[in-house]
Amino acid sequence: TQLLEQSPQFLSIQEGENLTVYCNSSSVFSSLQWYRQEPGEGPVLLVTVVTGGEVKKLKRLTFQFGDARKDSSLHITAAQPGDTGLYLCAFRNSGGSNYKLTFGKGTLLTVNP
Amino acid sequence: DTEVTQTPKHLVMGMTNKKSLKCEQHMGHRAMYWYKQKAKKPPELMFVYSYEKLSINESVPSRFSPECPNSSLLNLHLHALQPEDSALYLCASSQGGGILNEQFFGPGTRLTVL
Repeated sequence: TQLLEQSPQFLSIQEGENLTVYCNSSSVFSSLQWYRQEPGEGPVLLVTVVTGGEVKKLKRLTFQFGDARKDSSLHITAAQPGDTGLYLCAFRNSGGSNYKLTFGKGTLLTVNP
Repeated sequence: DTEVTQTPKHLVMGMTNKKSLKCEQHMGHRAMYWYKQKAKKPPELMFVYSYEKLSINESVPSRFSPECPNSSLLNLHLHALQPEDSALYLCASSQGGGILNEQFFGPGTRLTVL
């Protein structure tokens, strides 16, 4: 079974600080997705990365996919209270069911004003 | 339309009740999913329907019964639930099972079993 390690599990920071969340596995991902989930809502897809070494930017969020496609990171610059939420990485691995995503345990981010 | 809708938003039911959760998407997606999510945990896959046929059942107890009446609708029938079944139930859809498999989630139904 391919496991996905996500860290840190909890993060509480002040508005304006920068932060990075990590997703790692011992196996290769065919693709990896990042979601953000606000309290009481469903996860919202932020980005999908496919190519090793890929970097994608979404406003103050920067997503990187490792060269070997075994790890990914999400960096937030100048965090705002609106960034508060549960950040989830998820991958569809190369083998197994085409429909199944494996989620990391999530990073619960709190940005204090 | 890039939205997945779910009804009801909240549901409280007793252990002897029968209720149903509903999900709808109009993105032309051919795969639809039910997930269960406990507080501060990632979603756990329950069922996958592909082209209106049940493709994956993650060993879910029979008190949960999914139904896919057509390609846009997905139901989850609930009967004789236990208090530990209280959770956020999420529906999602995707184009299919391709390499991206980008799933779009609904807002969820908050279920409380008394």
